Amino acid sequence: AQSVTQLDSQVPVFEEAPVELRCNYSSSVSVYLFWYVQYPNQGLQLLLKYLSGSTLVKGINGFEAEFNKSQTSFHLRKPSVHISDTAEYFCAVSETTGGFKTIFGAGTRLFVKA
Amino acid sequence: DTGVSQDPRHKITKRGQNVTFRCDPISEHNRLYWYRQTLGQGPEFLTYFQNEAQLEKSRLLSDRFSAERPKGSFSTLEIQRTEQGDSAMYLCASSLLTGANYGYTFGSGTRLTVV
Repeated sequence: AQSVTQLDSQVPVFEEAPVELRCNYSSSVSVYLFWYVQYPNQGLQLLLKYLSGSTLVKGINGFEAEFNKSQTSFHLRKPSVHISDTAEYFCAVSETTGGFKTIFGAGTRLFVKA
Repeated sequence: DTGVSQDPRHKITKRGQNVTFRCDPISEHNRLYWYRQTLGQGPEFLTYFQNEAQLEKSRLLSDRFSAERPKGSFSTLEIQRTEQGDSAMYLCASSLLTGANYGYTFGSGTRLTVV
């Protein structure tokens, strides 16, 4: 079984500052890794994903994440945030075989201040 | 294709009533998933379909919950004898089976309030 731990429930940051949202996962099998963003009263939108290959993946809205297999981490970063980045961010892990069921972390609320 | 559609967006019901939600996935996606999300939490897996076959159900899905995908296209999720603890956002997602484009596309969700 897989599990996901998002280490920060809330991250306040000033506009144009860099940000890192931390995610650790646990799994006994190989996995795919994802970050999703959720704006208020909306569904989740895929930001980026790691399936294989390069461990540094780039996504939409200037976000990127690095897969670190030895540390079982998949931290999300952005060099300069905007007010519009204020949202809930979910790290997720999916098994690479079978049902491809995705397990989500509890979320990190990113709050960008002017 | 306009993405994953869920209907209704909001539902308020009295405890003990039955409710049904509908999800229309992206047409070429053969996998369809239902999740439940409560305030301040991440989505929790409920069940998924590959085409019309329901392949896995979570222990969260009590006997009061039933899901169908009769023709491998749209899906319904029914909750019988609703309880206040059923109040949540119910999310539907669809995906291709595998491939470089793998990843969920979510609908906007149905927010259920049981009073």
